[in-house]
Amino acid sequence: DTAVSQTPKYLVTQMGNDKSIKCEQNLGHDTMYWYKQDSKKFLKIMFSYNNKELIINETVPNRFSPKSPDKAHLNLHINSLELGDSAVYFCASSLRLAGGMETQYFGPGTRLLVL
Amino acid sequence: GENVEQHPSTLSVQEGDSAVIKCTYSDSASNYFPWYKQELGKGPQLIIDIRSNVGEKKDQRIAVTLNKTAKHFSLHITETQPEDSAVYFCAASNYNDYKLSFGAGTTVTVRA
Repeated sequence: DTAVSQTPKYLVTQMGNDKSIKCEQNLGHDTMYWYKQDSKKFLKIMFSYNNKELIINETVPNRFSPKSPDKAHLNLHINSLELGDSAVYFCASSLRLAGGMETQYFGPGTRLLVL
Repeated sequence: GENVEQHPSTLSVQEGDSAVIKCTYSDSASNYFPWYKQELGKGPQLIIDIRSNVGEKKDQRIAVTLNKTAKHFSLHITETQPEDSAVYFCAASNYNDYKLSFGAGTTVTVRA
């Protein structure tokens, strides 16, 4: 049973396109996150949601819009893709928000390449 | 905000030897310090964590130490094996921050 799943695993697209990445967790967790991992492996948080409520928005361009239809899903929509958006995007979840002090369970990642 | 520095960026060890990764943090309010392991093509996975009321914690071949006065913490892996080859991330958090701040990662290679 996959705890945190993401689709698609790979995404290759042209500059200027709009794309979405979907994330689902079956752990019954309240909190979900999106991270961006760049080519140097640096992990940076983008957003977190707790029970469908936005908690963290880390100065991400407004071309990125997260949506949480229910607490088991957190999707990421990206408008007008740019070359610099190429990265691996990870979804994660934790049981509670607890100030970031809960174990986070990461999905397998979505590898986005913008041409 | 919190700033976590991690060293070294790469580490190559002979199988059976020990590996040590060190991290420093800037926010004295931080009180939770997890370590995540990321294998090739996968997402990071928690391997051990320590909270500020504890100085050392061990789990089989891995151990973490914390020095709150100096604001640094370290990961120790003993008797390294090929499956220990991965990228390791340290992180820090405090209850009011709602997020983990990650170090830049250490790529560990265990030579057979």
